Amino acid sequence: AQTVTQSQPEMSVQEAETVTLSCTYDTSESDYYLFWYKQPPSRQMILVIRQEAYKQQNATENRFSVNFQKAAKSFSLKISDSQLGDAAMYFCAYRSAGGATNKLIFGTGTLLAVQP
Amino acid sequence: DVKVTQSSRYLVKRTGEKVFLECVQDMDHENMFWYRQDPGLGLRLIYFSYDVKMKEKGDIPEGYSVSREKKERFSLILESASTNQTSMYLCASRTSGSHEQYFGPGTRLTVT
Repeated sequence: AQTVTQSQPEMSVQEAETVTLSCTYDTSESDYYLFWYKQPPSRQMILVIRQEAYKQQNATENRFSVNFQKAAKSFSLKISDSQLGDAAMYFCAYRSAGGATNKLIFGTGTLLAVQP
Repeated sequence: DVKVTQSSRYLVKRTGEKVFLECVQDMDHENMFWYRQDPGLGLRLIYFSYDVKMKEKGDIPEGYSVSREKKERFSLILESASTNQTSMYLCASRTSGSHEQYFGPGTRLTVT
């Protein structure tokens, strides 16, 4: 069974600085998708960024980028120029590319605080 | 904009009560999901549905059932609520072939 591990329960960053959130996963599959979701205090989960395992290029969405290391099964999220609105719980998630199962497997989350 | 709504933001029920949590999506998505979110455990899948009247167990289905009579609506049922079902419940939907899963705002259920 696949598992997702986020080893940092809490992180803190100064406004305008850069922070990296860690995620590792375990799978025997070769084709899959990885995601970072953000859950602000309002509780509405929002997709931040997605990475396809078959793509070597790291995904980027504005100030958010990932460092995808397939061999190491590592998928970290880098937030540049941190803003107060980035304060939230961040979840890393995995989904198989094939099979009938559509489900996402989530990590336990990292709570990010942004200090002004 | 895709919208996923949940019937209540906060709910307080007594042990043994039958509880219904409703979820509605407005984008004709085939797939709908119910998750439970607990501190330190992340989100865990309770049930999901990939079509009307179709359902599959997730990782923690015990104590729960679901109903999907219409495509836009997916209900989570606690037949006899227990205190260990106090949690945040999140509904989500996704269209087949898409990667993005859209979440509702969550229902914080307290069972006393």
